[in-house]
Order: sequence, then C-alpha cells, then structure tokens
Amino acid sequence: AQSVTQLDSQVPVFEEAPVELRCNYSSSVSVYLFWYVQYPNQGLQLLLKYLSGSTLVKGINGFEAEFNKSQTSFHLRKPSVHISDTAEYFCAVGSGGSYIPTFGRGTSLIVHP
Amino acid sequence: DTGVSQDPRHKITKRGQNVTFRCDPISEHNRLYWYRQTLGQGPEFLTYFQNEAQLEKSRLLSDRFSAERPKGSFSTLEIQRTEQGDSAMYLCASSRDGAGADTQYFGPGTRLTVL
Repeated sequence: AQSVTQLDSQVPVFEEAPVELRCNYSSSVSVYLFWYVQYPNQGLQLLLKYLSGSTLVKGINGFEAEFNKSQTSFHLRKPSVHISDTAEYFCAVGSGGSYIPTFGRGTSLIVHP
Repeated sequence: DTGVSQDPRHKITKRGQNVTFRCDPISEHNRLYWYRQTLGQGPEFLTYFQNEAQLEKSRLLSDRFSAERPKGSFSTLEIQRTEQGDSAMYLCASSRDGAGADTQYFGPGTRLTVL
C-alpha cells in the first residue's frame, strides 16, 4: 500500500519570499512522485515528477523538488514566490506498475503582497 | 492538443435522481481515469480505462456508480439514485499508454451538488 502525507494544510507567505511545501510518502516498492497544482475552478496541472535518476527535479514556473529516499520525502520549493502562485498543491505517489497514483490532501499556498 | 474536457461543469440535482457526466480525453490518449474530489481533500481514484477496457473498478464508491468508455474515446460516469454525500467535484484525466509513471492530464471537473 502507498500513502502520502502533506504536513501543512495551509502555508501563508509574502511575495518574493522562498517557500517549501512538505510531502512525505510511504510505499513498499520503488516509487514515482508527482507534484500537481490546482488553481481555483480548474483541473490539476503537473508541476514536476520524479521517476529515477537525479534526485533534484526541476519543474514549471520555477518550482523544484528533491527526492530523499532515506527520509521518504519529496518537498517542493521555490526561491521566490509570486501572487500568481496562490493555489492548491498536491503531492502524489505511484509505485511499481500501478497506473493509480495516491494523492495527498493538498497544501494551500497563499501568497500575500 | 485541446486538453481534457468535461461536461457539464456544474450539475445540481435532487436526491434520488440519476446523473451522467461526460469526459473527452486528449486525442490518442489510451488511458482515461475518473476521480472524486471533496472539499479539502486530494483526488480519490474511482476507476480507469485502457482503450475501451475498464481495468480497475473495485474502488467505485458503490454499485450506484458506473462508468463506460464504449469506443475507447470519450467516457461517461453515471451515478444512480444520488445521495447528498455524492456532492463533490468529479475529475477526469487521460494519459498516453506509456510506463507506469505516465503523466495524467486533468480536465476542469464537474461539480455535483445534490440537494
């Protein structure tokens, strides 16, 4: 079985400040990891994904995430956020040959001017 | 690619009525997924298709829920005898037939409100 824990339900931050959204996972087999963003009244959009190889993954909109196998984490970071980054962020884990990812509960990023 | 589309975007119905939602995936995407998302939660997997074959349906929430993809293109999700607890956003996603970590592209969702 696989599961995802997003440790923060809400993260408020000021514009141009750095941000980290935390994600921990559990799985008994090798994993694939994803971060999705959901803007209000829209579907989910893939930010980045980790399949294998380099543990630092760069995505769209200046986001990056680092896979840490020993800590079973896949935290999302951005060095300087914009107002437009205000959205819901979901971490997801897939494993083995399964096509069915498990999503976390989401973290609401709120960027203040 | 025109993206994944879903119809309708919003549906209000009375308890006990049947509802049907449609999803049009990105053309040539072999896999199609249905999820349910309730307030404050991430998407919850319901079922998925590879072409017209429904490969996983054990997670459909009850026997009131059913899905079809008759020609391997668009799909429908039907909920019979709706209950207030069915109120949620229903998301559709599609992906290419690739490795297990293929990227899913999501539609905007259908928001169901059961009165």
